[in-house]
Amino acid sequence: AQSVTQLDSHVSVSEGTPVLLRCNYSSSYSPSLFWYVQHPNKGLQLLLKYTSAATLVKGINGFEAEFKKSETSFHLTKPSAHMSDAAEYFCVVSGAYGGSQGNLIFGKGTKLSVKP
Amino acid sequence: GAGVSQSPSNKVTEKGKDVELRCDPISGHTALYWYRQSLGQGLEFLIYFQGNSAPDKSGLPSDRFSAERTGGSVSTLTIQRTQQEDSAVYLCASSQAGTRADTQYFGPGTRLTVL
Repeated sequence: AQSVTQLDSHVSVSEGTPVLLRCNYSSSYSPSLFWYVQHPNKGLQLLLKYTSAATLVKGINGFEAEFKKSETSFHLTKPSAHMSDAAEYFCVVSGAYGGSQGNLIFGKGTKLSVKP
Repeated sequence: GAGVSQSPSNKVTEKGKDVELRCDPISGHTALYWYRQSLGQGLEFLIYFQGNSAPDKSGLPSDRFSAERTGGSVSTLTIQRTQQEDSAVYLCASSQAGTRADTQYFGPGTRLTVL
């Protein structure tokens, strides 16, 4: 079965400092992995996705994530935090095997706070 | 272009009543998903429609929950005899073909409160 574990429920950074949101996954086959962001009272938005192409994935708003099979990790990073980055971030794995995506399996979420 | 829309945005009901939640996916998307987001359980998968195939109902928490998708487009999630533990935000998503590389686009959700 597939699962994801987000290692921090809450991360607080200062504006202009780097962001690291940690995610480990478990999958019995090569997974598709995603990071979604949810701003307060807004819908879920895709930040980036890994689907077995390049292991370093670049997303929107300066975020990127690196797929590390040996460490079963897919950590999300950004070099310099902005106030507008304050939101909840979800690490997600596809639940299906083979060509179909099936449902998504969400981590518990990491709430990112950005201090001025 | 238009994204995924859901209605109503908020629904307050009394315990024991039935409710219907509606999802309009992005036009042309063949895959449609329902999820539930609650404080205690996080984001959980409920049901998945892919084209004309039988839906994957493996995430439905009880037989009080059902969903249909008419004409391969609009979907309705029905909860019968609502209970207080059904209170949550119900999210709908759609994707173009339901393949592994696809992006699921989420609607704004319906916030259900069961009194």
